[in-house]
Amino acid sequence: TQLLEQSPQFLSIQEGENLTVYCNSSSVFSSLQWYRQEPGEGPVLLVTVVTGGEVKKLKRLTFQFGDARKDSSLHITAAQPGDTGLYLCAGALGGNKLVFGAGTILRVKS
Amino acid sequence: NAGVMQNPRHLVRRRGQEARLRCSPMKGHSHVYWYRQLPEEGLKFMVYLQKENIIDESGMPKERFSAEFPKEGPSILRIQQVVRGDSAAYFCASSLNWDSTNEKLFFGSGTQLSVL
Repeated sequence: TQLLEQSPQFLSIQEGENLTVYCNSSSVFSSLQWYRQEPGEGPVLLVTVVTGGEVKKLKRLTFQFGDARKDSSLHITAAQPGDTGLYLCAGALGGNKLVFGAGTILRVKS
Repeated sequence: NAGVMQNPRHLVRRRGQEARLRCSPMKGHSHVYWYRQLPEEGLKFMVYLQKENIIDESGMPKERFSAEFPKEGPSILRIQQVVRGDSAAYFCASSLNWDSTNEKLFFGSGTQLSVL
């Protein structure tokens, strides 16, 4: 059982479409991070959200942290083939450990 | 400024052999973390080390696995008497300090361990 549930597991869309991926938990996190991982490489940090209700934007990516700090979403506007990858959310429960979700595999077709 | 360096990238071992995975953190980083990733699963925390100290090894299997981060040289994750279930991608990450609200964790490219 994953502490952090990500949905959907797989997403295949056409270039230009919008999409949202979700990260849900019954636990409260002090912060939540989103990473993107490409095949054969390590995850790369995209953003950290800290405050309940916080919204952060990174170009075409919008990240939101739930009011109760238990869930988060990542919205991509006008997806491009370069957005293809595995998107991972990770929650900090306190201390130095990050708990990762299983990820959402995104494929953007041109 | 080189990133987190892991080697080897790929490691093949037969059952019962030992596997040694090395990780050099980013320059100036004194905090090192090891994670294991299995297909269709997220990264699982294994161990957190600072120079010469194991801070948190709650994710490490009790037997056959050990980790160190000596004063000089890379961090080493050692797996003795490997079994097929040890096959996975092992990632190392480093950070300058630890503050879950602001700290950035930098990951290496991983070592893919295959046990025959």
